[in-house]
Amino acid sequence: KAGVTQTPRYLIKTRGQQVTLSCSPISGHRSVSWYQQTPGQGLQFLFEYFSETQRNKGNFPGRFSGRQFSNSRSEMNVSTLELGDSALYLCASSLRQGVPFDTQYFGPGTRLTVL
Amino acid sequence: SQELEQSPQSLIVQEGKNLTINCTSSKTLYGLYWYKQKYGEGLIFLMMLQKGGEEKSHEKITAKLDEKKQQSSLHITASQPSHAGIYLCGAESSGGSYIPTFGRGTSLIVHP
Repeated sequence: KAGVTQTPRYLIKTRGQQVTLSCSPISGHRSVSWYQQTPGQGLQFLFEYFSETQRNKGNFPGRFSGRQFSNSRSEMNVSTLELGDSALYLCASSLRQGVPFDTQYFGPGTRLTVL
Repeated sequence: SQELEQSPQSLIVQEGKNLTINCTSSKTLYGLYWYKQKYGEGLIFLMMLQKGGEEKSHEKITAKLDEKKQQSSLHITASQPSHAGIYLCGAESSGGSYIPTFGRGTSLIVHP
């Protein structure tokens, strides 16, 4: 079974631009979560999507948004980029949603650099 | 919100040595994940502990959950260079919100 894939792997943008990241979950997995990882804050939960609906959301501003398609693929969008948005963005998929400790499988991440 | 504190922050050991990484929660632990991350890459699932006192092993890595201490420990026996990376513990906050929280990670370097 193919793992979680994320595209692109690397991205360089300038302040004020917007960016869209893509995540394809493991086949059969219906839940997709997004995380931001930075040296200063560590790994932080952004949001989770299940059946095309956002189910949970972390403490991030509205500039961060996402969506999920009927095939469970998900996209994350960051508008009006700031320097502090430079980070590794990780996507994780799991079989179910809202189930404690349903194992999440992570993709390789997208490294976003904002200049 | 639940916070997870890992110790030590970094560890440098000689190949063949044993080591332990701890993860302590600010709230009651109902379960915990351990992940390994190669620098700049995604997280690799190691194991999940759900019950107090539960202990699981995978190859030379053993993890245990101590509910009373609100702590989990990860022990590596006879470390190898392939064990190098960042080890993260993760848990989900209680109360039905299922918001995942992760520790800041422990960086492990194993010298051959």
